[in-house]
Amino acid sequence: GENVEQHPSTLSVQEGDSAVIKCTYSDSASNYFPWYKQELGKRPQLIIDIRSNVGEKKDQRIAVTLNKTAKHFSLHITETQPEDSAVYFCAATSYNQGGKLIFGQGTELSVKP
Amino acid sequence: DVKVTQSSRYLVKRTGEKVFLECVQDMDHENMFWYRQDPGLGLRLIYFSYDVKMKEKGDIPEGYSVSREKKERFSLILESASTNQTSMYLCASLRAGTGISGNTIYFGEGSWLTVV
Repeated sequence: GENVEQHPSTLSVQEGDSAVIKCTYSDSASNYFPWYKQELGKRPQLIIDIRSNVGEKKDQRIAVTLNKTAKHFSLHITETQPEDSAVYFCAATSYNQGGKLIFGQGTELSVKP
Repeated sequence: DVKVTQSSRYLVKRTGEKVFLECVQDMDHENMFWYRQDPGLGLRLIYFSYDVKMKEKGDIPEGYSVSREKKERFSLILESASTNQTSMYLCASLRAGTGISGNTIYFGEGSWLTVV
């Protein structure tokens, strides 16, 4: 089955700096890769996603890149703000898995003012 | 606006007790999931269900069972709670056939279970 590894487990940056979180997956059949942000005590919220037919996707300060050959994808947050502080999860699945997401271990991002 | 409801947000149970965690969705979704969330381990899939009375094991089903008697309700059962089941449990649902998209997966707010 699919296995997703996420690094780093914790990340501390100064406000205004960039943050990068990386994930690798094992199943070459996976073709959908969402990223979730989870604030303390709240449910995970989708922030961006990418499908395997696209190499990069951007939404304002957030971007995701995908390298299918190497089986890794990354989340990039530019101009970080204190409200970006949260736990971020990557996940992988394929369209025929009926929504069964396999998650990475999570990254706790701290943005210091 | 709440679409996936986990009725118990915080529970404290004793070792050996039978525990029920309830999840209800009001979107007529076919697919429902139970995840367990632990620091450093992410979200791990316990069980999932694609239809009423159907269930499939996820990655960590040991010590758990599930019940899906009605389409809107998916229950997670700990037959005999143990301290290593202290965790946060997340329910999620998805409409079948929409194609996988994060926007169509809805999470509950989580149930924090402490077993003493």
